[in-house]
Amino acid sequence: GAGVSQSPSNKVTEKGKDVELRCDPISGHTALYWYRQRLGQGLEFLIYFQGNSAPDKSGLPSDRFSAERTGESVSTLTIQRTQQEDSAVYLCASSPKISPAHEQYFGPGTRLTVT
Amino acid sequence: AQSVTQLGSHVSVSEGALVLLRCNYSSSVPPYLFWYVQYPNQGLQLLLKYTTGATLVKGINGFEAEFKKSETSFHLTKPSAHMSDAAEYFCAVSASGGSYIPTFGRGTSLIVHP
Repeated sequence: GAGVSQSPSNKVTEKGKDVELRCDPISGHTALYWYRQRLGQGLEFLIYFQGNSAPDKSGLPSDRFSAERTGESVSTLTIQRTQQEDSAVYLCASSPKISPAHEQYFGPGTRLTVT
Repeated sequence: AQSVTQLGSHVSVSEGALVLLRCNYSSSVPPYLFWYVQYPNQGLQLLLKYTTGATLVKGINGFEAEFKKSETSFHLTKPSAHMSDAAEYFCAVSASGGSYIPTFGRGTSLIVHP
C-alpha cells in the first residue's frame, strides 16, 4: 500500500517568505508527527497530532511555525517569515495507533533551503 | 524523562566484518526501544523494535539488537557488513505511561569499506 508522502520534495525560498509543507499519512493512521532534521543532527520533534485531540505543539521552536491537520488525513506545516536557520529536512511520520509501543512510518522528507 | 545516547557519530567497518552500533538509554519506566535506518535522501525505516518479551530482537536485513536492562543498552549488531548497509542509524526510546513522543538519538553513520 501507499506509504507516507510529502510535498514538495525540495523547496528553495528567500529569507522572509512563508512556506507550506504537506504531509499525506498512511490511510487509517491516527497519529501524525512532524520533525526537523538539520544537517548531521538527529530528529527534533516539532508537533504531534493524535486523532481529534488537541495537538502537542511543545516542540515548535517559535511562533513562526504552525501546523494543521484535517481530521485523520493531510497535514500542513507552515513556516512564516523564514530564516536561514530554518534550512533543514522536515520529516513527517504517521503511526497506526496511539501507543508508545508503535513504530512510526516516515515520509521521504522535504528539504527546505532558505537563501 | 527519557534520553538516548548513541556512542560514535561515525562507525567504519570493512565489508564482511561485524557491525556494532551502540545505544544507551535512560528512562524512569520500562522503555520501548527502536532502531531505524535512513538511506540518503530518504525517510527513516524501522529495522527492529523491543516492546516486551524476548530481549534479543531480530530485524530486517540481518540486524539484531539485545535489550540489556542492567546496562540500559540496546546495541545493534550484524555479523557481516554489506556495502548496502551504509546508511545513518537512529536509536529511539519511548515509554509506557508517558508521552507518545519518542526520543531519538543523534544518529550513527555506518561506513562500509570494500
